[in-house]
Parts: sequence; structure tokens; C-alpha cells
Amino acid sequence: AQTVTQSQPEMSVQEAETVTLSCTYDTSESDYYLFWYKQPPSRQMILVIRQEAYKQQNATENRFSVNFQKAAKSFSLKISDSQLGDAAMYFCAYRSAVHAGGTSYGKLTFGQGTILTVHP
Amino acid sequence: KAGVTQTPRYLIKTRGQQVTLSCSPISGHRSVSWYQQTPGQGLQFLFEYFSETQRNKGNFPGRFSGRQFSNSRSEMNVSTLELGDSALYLCASSLPSPYGYTFGSGTRLTVV
Repeated sequence: AQTVTQSQPEMSVQEAETVTLSCTYDTSESDYYLFWYKQPPSRQMILVIRQEAYKQQNATENRFSVNFQKAAKSFSLKISDSQLGDAAMYFCAYRSAVHAGGTSYGKLTFGQGTILTVHP
Repeated sequence: KAGVTQTPRYLIKTRGQQVTLSCSPISGHRSVSWYQQTPGQGLQFLFEYFSETQRNKGNFPGRFSGRQFSNSRSEMNVSTLELGDSALYLCASSLPSPYGYTFGSGTRLTVV
């Protein structure tokens, strides 16, 4: 079974600065997907960024980027130019790349989450 | 384009009762998954449906069940509620692709 570990229960950052959230995972699979989700107080989980394991290039989405180290099974999230609206709980998640009948499916396995506080 | 809609948003039930939660996925999404979120256990996978078939099930007792209708809407049912079932229940839908799921805002269930 896959496991996802987020070792930082809480992190804080000053507005406009950069912060990195850590995530490690354990799997015996070679093909999978990794995600970072954000959960603000509104409770809705919002997809921040996605990484396919077969891609060596690190994914980026505007101020958000990842450092994907497949051999080390590490998947950290860097938030640049932090904004007050970035304050939320962040979850790292793993999904197997299971294919059946041309469709891809698979449950998400989540880490325990990191609460990010942004100070003005 | 409407997002994933979960109803109701809040629910208070008494131990021993049963409850049904509803999830309407994004139009065109045929895969629906359910997750339970608690402070102690975090986010745990309940089950996944695709085209009305349960394709995957998490490690939950048989009191937890679900189904998916032909229009992809899904319901989950919890029978004989226990205090420990108090949680935020999240539904997520996706296209048949490796892209991430889109989540609803959840149903907050409190069992008293």
C-alpha cells in the first residue's frame, strides 16, 4: 500500500516571501500521479498542481512549483511571492496510474496536511 | 460550469440512525469518489464509482455504502450511526483521465 507523509504540521511565511512544503511518499509502482491540494476554511479542496511520475520536468503553475525527486520519493511544493489568500491547509496526494478499458482511475492517498499561515 | 454539488452541507443525527448524503458531479464527469475527513484520521478513501459500478472500496465497515445513478449522481449511506462517524464527507468527480479530482465543499455530519 502507498503512504504519503507530510512532516510539517504547520508552516508560516511572511507575505511576498517564499515557502516550501515537504512531502514524501512510499510506493513500489513506477507509474503514478502526485498532487498538491489546498483546503481553505471554506472546506473545498482545490487542486494546486499535478505531477506525472513519468515526466522528469517539474510542474509549475504561476507562483506554485514542485521539486519532484522520483528516486528519493520526494515531492515538495514551493510557493513564491506568498499572498494572504494562500493561507490554508495543504495536502499532498498520491494516485496510482491504473488503467482499465481506456479509462484511468484510482483513489487518492493523502498526507496528514500542513497548515500554512501567511503573515502580513 | 457548475462544480461538484454536495447536499446537505450540514447534518446532525443521533446515534443509531442512518443518513444519506448526495453528490452531483460536474457535468460529463463519470467518476465519483467519496472521502471521510476527521482531525484524527485525516482524509480517508471510502469508495469510487464509475458508470454506476463500484471500482474501489476503502477500509470501512459495511455500514458505509454507496451507489451511483445513470446520470452519474452518487449517494453514500451510513447506517447505525456511531459517534465516530462525525466527520466532513467529501465527494470528488473527475473525467476518465489522470487529471486530479474536483472536490465539492463537503457535508459536515455530526452524530450526537
